[in-house]
Amino acid sequence: KAGVTQTPRYLIKTRGQQVTLSCSPISGHRSVSWYQQTPGQGLQFLFEYFSETQRNKGNFPGRFSGRQFSNSRSEMNVSTLELGDSALYLCASSGDFRTDTQYFGPGTRLTVL
Amino acid sequence: AQSVTQPDIHITVSEGASLELRCNYSYGATPYLFWYVQSPGQGLQLLLKYFSGDTLVQGIKGFEAEFKRSQSSFNLRKPSVHWSDAAEYFCAARWGDYKLSFGAGTTVTVRA
Repeated sequence: KAGVTQTPRYLIKTRGQQVTLSCSPISGHRSVSWYQQTPGQGLQFLFEYFSETQRNKGNFPGRFSGRQFSNSRSEMNVSTLELGDSALYLCASSGDFRTDTQYFGPGTRLTVL
Repeated sequence: AQSVTQPDIHITVSEGASLELRCNYSYGATPYLFWYVQSPGQGLQLLLKYFSGDTLVQGIKGFEAEFKRSQSSFNLRKPSVHWSDAAEYFCAARWGDYKLSFGAGTTVTVRA
C-alpha cells in the first residue's frame, strides 16, 4: 500500500506571496492532519480534516487554511507569507484521527525569502 | 496545559550499547502515547504506540517502551544500538481533544 505523499517536496517563495501544499493520504484513510516543524517551535499541530470537514485546529493565524476533497486528498494554503513561515510542513493520515495511528508523509520544505 | 517533555536534547551512544530515551507527559488523564523517529530530511516513522493494556510495548527495529502511570512516563529503549539508529526521536501524546502533542525531540548520535 502506498504511503502518504506530499507535493511539492521543496518550495521557495518570497514574503507576501501565497503557497498551496498538497497531501495524498494512504488509500482508505479519511483523516488528514497537518503539522509545522521548525527548529525553534518544534512540531506544532495546524489542523485536521475528516470527510471534508475541519474537526480540529491549532493555534495558527487565519493566514493558514486548508481543505479536504471528496477523495480525501488535502491541501493547505498559506497566504501573505512571512519569513517565519519557513518550515517543514508534514501531513499525516489515519483511518480516524481519534482512534487510529497517524502515518506521516515526507514533508514539504518551504523556504520564504 | 497538556505537554510532552523530552529532557534530553542530545544523546551519544556507542554502537552495540543500550539506549534509553525519556519522555514525560503532563495533565491528569492518561493520553495515547507514541514514539516516532525522523531521519534527516524525512518525515516521521512510527516506532510504537500505547493505547491501553500491557505497559511494555514492542515496536519496530527492536525498540520497546514502558508506560509508567505513577511517573507519567513513556520511555523508549533499545538493548543494542546500530549505526542506522542515529536519528531524531519524538515522543507524542494525544488527549481527549484529539490533537497530537509532540516533545521537543532527542537527537541520537551513534559512535563506532
